[in-house]
Amino acid sequence: GDSVTQTEGLVTLTEGLPVMLNCTYQTIYSNPFLFWYVHYLNESPRLLLKSSTDNKRTEHQGFHATLHKSSSSFHLQKSSAQLSDSALYYCALSNTGNYKYVFGAGTRLKVIA
Amino acid sequence: EAAVTQSPRNKVTVTGGNVTLSCRQTNSHNYMYWYRQDTGHGLRLIHYSYGAGNLQIGDVPDGYKATRTTQEDFFLLLELASPSQTSLYFCASSEGSSNSDYTFGSGTRLLVI
Repeated sequence: GDSVTQTEGLVTLTEGLPVMLNCTYQTIYSNPFLFWYVHYLNESPRLLLKSSTDNKRTEHQGFHATLHKSSSSFHLQKSSAQLSDSALYYCALSNTGNYKYVFGAGTRLKVIA
Repeated sequence: EAAVTQSPRNKVTVTGGNVTLSCRQTNSHNYMYWYRQDTGHGLRLIHYSYGAGNLQIGDVPDGYKATRTTQEDFFLLLELASPSQTSLYFCASSEGSSNSDYTFGSGTRLLVI
């Protein structure tokens, strides 16, 4: 079945440094949809960005990700971390005809001053 | 504004107790989902539904029942609660297409003592 792997459970960064959260996936289908959700403490998880287009950069709120089907990856990046970026980030996968996501285990990003 | 509302926000029950978690969505979405969130495991799907009267089994259904009484309302039932069910529970809704966003509720924190 489909799976999503987020290799880092916790990423601790100093403010101003670049962010990269890893996401790789496995699926037998050729047109997956990939999502990044962000969960701030005491809030609801919400969509950060999504893509189904190979090799196209998607951006939102200073974050960006590019779906690379050749490497089955959808890494989340930001040029400069801010304290307010501290949150739990989930990568998720869905496929045509499948109405439930497969979530990764999540990566907690902690940004320190 | 479209929303997913969960109640209660917090719940404490004893082992063997009976608990019902409620979720209501005003998004006119077909699909509703119940997840539990645990450190190291991320979001795990318990049950989901694509309409009133429908129920689909998720990935971690043991010990949980669910019922979708209307388009808007989806309930999660723990009939013999156990400490292993201590968790943060999220309800979500979506339109049900492969690239649909999820709208999450604010979560219910359950403690089983």
